[in-house]
Amino acid sequence: GDSVTQMEGPVTLSEEAFLTINCTYTATGYPSLFWYVQYPGEGLQLLLKATKADDKGSNKGFEATYRKETTSFHLEKGSVQVSDSAVYFCALSERGGSEKLVFGKGTKLTVNP
Amino acid sequence: DVKVTQSSRYLVKRTGEKVFLECVQDMDHENMFWYRQDPGLGLRLIYFSYDVKMKEKGDIPEGYSVSREKKERFSLILESASTNQTSMYLCASSFVQGAGQPQHFGDGTRLSIL
Repeated sequence: GDSVTQMEGPVTLSEEAFLTINCTYTATGYPSLFWYVQYPGEGLQLLLKATKADDKGSNKGFEATYRKETTSFHLEKGSVQVSDSAVYFCALSERGGSEKLVFGKGTKLTVNP
Repeated sequence: DVKVTQSSRYLVKRTGEKVFLECVQDMDHENMFWYRQDPGLGLRLIYFSYDVKMKEKGDIPEGYSVSREKKERFSLILESASTNQTSMYLCASSFVQGAGQPQHFGDGTRLSIL
């Protein structure tokens, strides 16, 4: 079945450091790809998404590009802030399906001042 | 803004009890989902519903059932609660049509079974 693999955490960075969280997927079809963020004590929020190859999703300084050739959707941010401390989930949904999501296991990010 | 509301943030129940978790969404979404979230396992889909009175099993349906009598409400039922059902439960909803429809999540219910 479809699956998502993202880098294991936890990740600890200093403020203003560059962030990369790797995400790769396997899918039989042509999925849409998502990054969700979960702040402490809250549910998941959509961070960004991409629906076709070479699309770049972006939001709040975060970016990810849909790479079909490498089946990847890596999350990047040029300069992280303490407020970015959260758990980040990569996910996919099959096009034309019931919009079920398949999630990676999550990566916990801690940003220190 | 889409709002998905889960009835309780924290819940403590006893083994063998029948437990109801309620979820309401206000955006007329067709799809609704129940997940459980456990450390190291990420989110796992329990059940989902794509229409009133319709339901499909997810990856871990054992020990759970669901009810969707109205479009905006999706209930998760633990028929006879057990300690291994202690977890964070997340409800979500989404539209059916259109590529890349995101799911919108509630804040979760942290359920403890003693």
